[in-house]
Amino acid sequence: DADVTQTPRNRITKTGKRIMLECSQTKGHDRMYWYRQDPGLGLQLIYYSFDVKDINKGEISDGYSVSRQAQAKFSLSLESAIPNQTALYFCATSDTRGTGGRPGELFFGEGSRLTVL
Amino acid sequence: QKEVEQDPGPLSVPEGAIVSLNCTYSNSAFQYFMWYRQYSRKGPELLMYTYSSGNKEDGRFTAQVDKSSKYISLFIRDSQPSDSATYLCAPSNDYKLSFGAGTTVTVRA
Repeated sequence: DADVTQTPRNRITKTGKRIMLECSQTKGHDRMYWYRQDPGLGLQLIYYSFDVKDINKGEISDGYSVSRQAQAKFSLSLESAIPNQTALYFCATSDTRGTGGRPGELFFGEGSRLTVL
Repeated sequence: QKEVEQDPGPLSVPEGAIVSLNCTYSNSAFQYFMWYRQYSRKGPELLMYTYSSGNKEDGRFTAQVDKSSKYISLFIRDSQPSDSATYLCAPSNDYKLSFGAGTTVTVRA
């Protein structure tokens, strides 16, 4: 099983619908991130969470919200989806407690492809 | 201006060629310099990790960092078809990474 699991892997929805993308991890890492990837733009940070009670906006948080339900779970919501939110979304984790990984190293899920019609 | 600029590509090279990938960055506080490799329909995976200026080799891969000119490079020697992927440079400050847009490399057999 993957260490960082994203669901759903693919989703097609309509403008105005509420969408939730879920991420769970078994790595025991404290930090979790949501990124968006668009062709030619690379990975852009949407939100990040350093622990359950610490949520921070990234570069492109408008139109998105997140919830850190537990250390291992971090979900991304689009309250009212619009077509320019069509993209590939990645969840990632990192560890700051020396239990695995190096400073700055991110571990990614396999991505959730969202299409908004 | 973006914090990290990466040569856009795409690159198509014959098997066995040397591949050179480059990035520049503007934030002098970046301390860690990473290259991620992303295969089609997969998440990025860490390929190379360096700290401070200089070269680091790992098999056929060499990462080069010049902090004085804020320049990052990745070289792939004896490229193989299995190296066909998108490569993303990712300088980091603390635990927040900034990514380049990625360069897609195709190695032709």
